[in-house]
Amino acid sequence: DARVTQTPRHKVTEMGQEVTMRCQPILGHNTVFWYRQTMMQGLELLAYFRNRAPLDDSGMPKDRFSAEMPDATLATLKIQPSEPRDSAVYFCASGGGGRRNEKLFFGSGTQLSVL
Amino acid sequence: ELKVEQNPLFLSMQEGKNYTIYCNYSTTSDRLYWYRQDPGKSLESLFVLLSNGAVKQEGRLMASLDTKARLSTLHITAAVHDLSATYFCAVDITGSQGNLIFGKGTKLSVKP
Repeated sequence: DARVTQTPRHKVTEMGQEVTMRCQPILGHNTVFWYRQTMMQGLELLAYFRNRAPLDDSGMPKDRFSAEMPDATLATLKIQPSEPRDSAVYFCASGGGGRRNEKLFFGSGTQLSVL
Repeated sequence: ELKVEQNPLFLSMQEGKNYTIYCNYSTTSDRLYWYRQDPGKSLESLFVLLSNGAVKQEGRLMASLDTKARLSTLHITAAVHDLSATYFCAVDITGSQGNLIFGKGTKLSVKP
């Protein structure tokens, strides 16, 4: 059963520490998205890639966040240094990249708590 | 700036009743999604609506899209407890499966 895999599921860290979240998209999917979910802001798009190339990262605080796709099977989202306001659930989603009836498939998320 | 507004944000229903969730958006789009999220879980895709007048149904849920009115509805028929969840609509503004802008979600609670 194909699914998007995210690690870790939970992360508790202290302010100032580096956090790296990983995502394995569904095999064959060529678009990958990073979303952040908070109670106050809801779901926000942070960045997305097509064919491993970043298409839009305007939703991401550039000074501390970075997103990469070192290969087609791995996407990473890094926060350095982390701050308490970064506490949220971070979702990765993948899609086939263009068919009109394409659905996006979401991973289980990484729940991040920055103390 | 694109806005996607859902209402109501909270909905408490009795089992067996019908209700509709509304999703209004502020810019042209030809692709609208509905997702379901259970507490502490991921988002599950329910429907993808691609054209004006599109209607899709699965079980007790039916979604429709009016692109001229920039309105989508999610209709719940004869609600059951298992439908309790948060429902999100999302609008694709790039036209090629790109940037999804989500509504705030409607938290549905179905009571016996």
